[in-house]
Amino acid sequence: DAGVIQSPRHEVTEMGQEVTLRCKPISGHDYLFWYRQTMMRGLELLIYFNNNVPIDDSGMPEDRFSAKMPNASFSTLKIQPSEPRDSAVYFCASSKLQGTNEKLFFGSGTQLSVL
Amino acid sequence: DAKTTQPPSMDCAEGRAANLPCNHSTISGNEYVYWYRQIHSQGPQYIIHGLKNNETNEMASLIITEDRKSSTLILPHATLRDTAVYYCIVRGGTDKLIFGTGTRLQVFP
Repeated sequence: DAGVIQSPRHEVTEMGQEVTLRCKPISGHDYLFWYRQTMMRGLELLIYFNNNVPIDDSGMPEDRFSAKMPNASFSTLKIQPSEPRDSAVYFCASSKLQGTNEKLFFGSGTQLSVL
Repeated sequence: DAKTTQPPSMDCAEGRAANLPCNHSTISGNEYVYWYRQIHSQGPQYIIHGLKNNETNEMASLIITEDRKSSTLILPHATLRDTAVYYCIVRGGTDKLIFGTGTRLQVFP
């Protein structure tokens, strides 16, 4: 398996523009997670899905952020409008829950810079 | 989830064992201890996890004290490629995986 695939690898945009980050989880995995990492706040869980259904979005910073998972093989994280403080590395992860032996597999991340 | 306490940084000579401590004094009976690491500019990588027994895999060993209030991750023969931030996480059931600040391990030649 190719692992969790994220695109784009780098994104540079201007304040006010819409940004869409994409993630393809590992085939067969039931859970998908979106994390954000900054120097100041570390790794933060934004939202996660189970069987394509959003379970917990309490980490989503504000209404400018939205995430969807239209099918088991694709998810998007959208920021509209983007702001400079959204600059961060965004990671997607997936897992196959096996009781309490859950292991998350992370993608390589998307480095977002909002100017 | 129970909180964990880790030293912010550690050094280790290449070829020697790296012992990374973690305190989790408020851990509950059904909570597991997980270890992940993050090599610079990469996504976090799962290392190992355990409940109360010591665990070993191809990457590392996990030693959990009998009272489960602390644990140690052991990299038996550290290499330069083991330089990373190591996260100790306590998690129960289907709880969310919450990362703390971790320990930055520097392996030097």
